[in-house]
This record gives sequence, structure tokens and C-alpha cells, in this order.
Amino acid sequence: DTGVSQDPRHKITKRGQNVTFRCDPISEHNRLYWYRQTLGQGPEFLTYFQNEAQLEKSRLLSDRFSAERPKGSFSTLEIQRTEQGDSAMYLCASSLGAGAPTDTQYFGPGTRLTVL
Amino acid sequence: AQTVTQSQPEMSVQEAETVTLSCTYDTSESDYYLFWYKQPPSRQMILVIRQEAYKQQNATENRFSVNFQKAAKSFSLKISDSQLGDAAMYFCAYSFNTDKLIFGTGTRLQVFP
Repeated sequence: DTGVSQDPRHKITKRGQNVTFRCDPISEHNRLYWYRQTLGQGPEFLTYFQNEAQLEKSRLLSDRFSAERPKGSFSTLEIQRTEQGDSAMYLCASSLGAGAPTDTQYFGPGTRLTVL
Repeated sequence: AQTVTQSQPEMSVQEAETVTLSCTYDTSESDYYLFWYKQPPSRQMILVIRQEAYKQQNATENRFSVNFQKAAKSFSLKISDSQLGDAAMYFCAYSFNTDKLIFGTGTRLQVFP
């Protein structure tokens, strides 16, 4: 069990560019979540997957954001035409997703995005 | 809509002492889950403790315990025998049906030797 990993850890981009982040969940975890955390705030839910199916998307996820989990393993989060307001820490979490009361989300280290 | 409120932006405690972090939430559901997560500086978030709303007994994990008051929608975290390694941001979170987490704004805990 190597934990949830995210790549890259830091990304600096210019406004208007596209960026893509990757998340590798803990193996055998069926659920994968994306959150966004801005400075001084708690994480805000963006979207989540059960295997390859995207089950819920937040209103925060504008049409410039797209997330995929094509084979039910790793996931990518793409932001098109980045804006300065997109600057944040993007967190990924995974869980077994068995629906059990003990289901727990394990978080990755995050990708810090800075849009200049 | 469910909301989570942490009214203490910062707290401090002396090593070996006890500190309590407050959290209130709003929900119309009767079954749900509550969590405290710890986020050390520049490190990833880890689960400290969880509470199922259907359980009347307060959860405990070693030096960490909660005071869950369902009627008052209150969920405080007590850290006993505080250690320097407890210094971090602490987030209270709510989940209905063990899916997405709704977080509060966090409390920064400082521990002084």
C-alpha cells in the first residue's frame, strides 16, 4: 500500500493555458474523489468516481474542468483556459467505496496550481 | 444544504495539556458521518477520528476523543496530553452516506513546549 499519489506536486502556468493533473489511488480502492482547497479554507468537493463512472459533479466544476477515470484506476483532472481564480491546491482522495460505515477517504499530497 | 462551521480559526495549547476544538454542522438527515481530519504543514491530510451519527457512544482514538451532541448538532474534538506533533490544521467534516465530504474552514492548532 503506497498511498494516494498525485502528479505533479506543483504546477505554474500562464492564464489561458490548459493543465492536467493525475491521481493514482490506493490499489483496489473503487472510489476516487477530487477536492479543491484555497488558502485558508477547507477542501471543497469537485467530483467523484465509483470505478470508471463519474457519479457526482459539484457546481464548482465549470465546463472548463473535466475529470476522467477511464479504466477505474488512475484519474486525470484537466482545466482548460486557466484563470487566476483557479489557483489552489487540488486534492485527490480514494476509498474502498464499499458503502460500509467504516469507509474512509485517504488523501494524496495534492497538486498546487499557480496561475500567473 | 449541509454546512460545517468551525468558529475557532486558531487555538493554542501547551505541551501535555488538553485542548478542545469546536465544530457545529447543519443537516436535515438523521443518519450521517462526522470526521476530524488533521493537515500538518505541507503534508497530506489524515483522518484523526470518525463518528457515526447512529452511535450514541462518543468515539475515541488514543489521545483523541469527541463530544458528539446530535440534538445540538455539535461535534467537538478533545486532544489530551498534547504533543508538539499535534500542531496542524484540523478540519471537521460531514458526510451523508459515506460519499463526498463537506469540510469546515479549519482550526489552526499551535502547541507550545
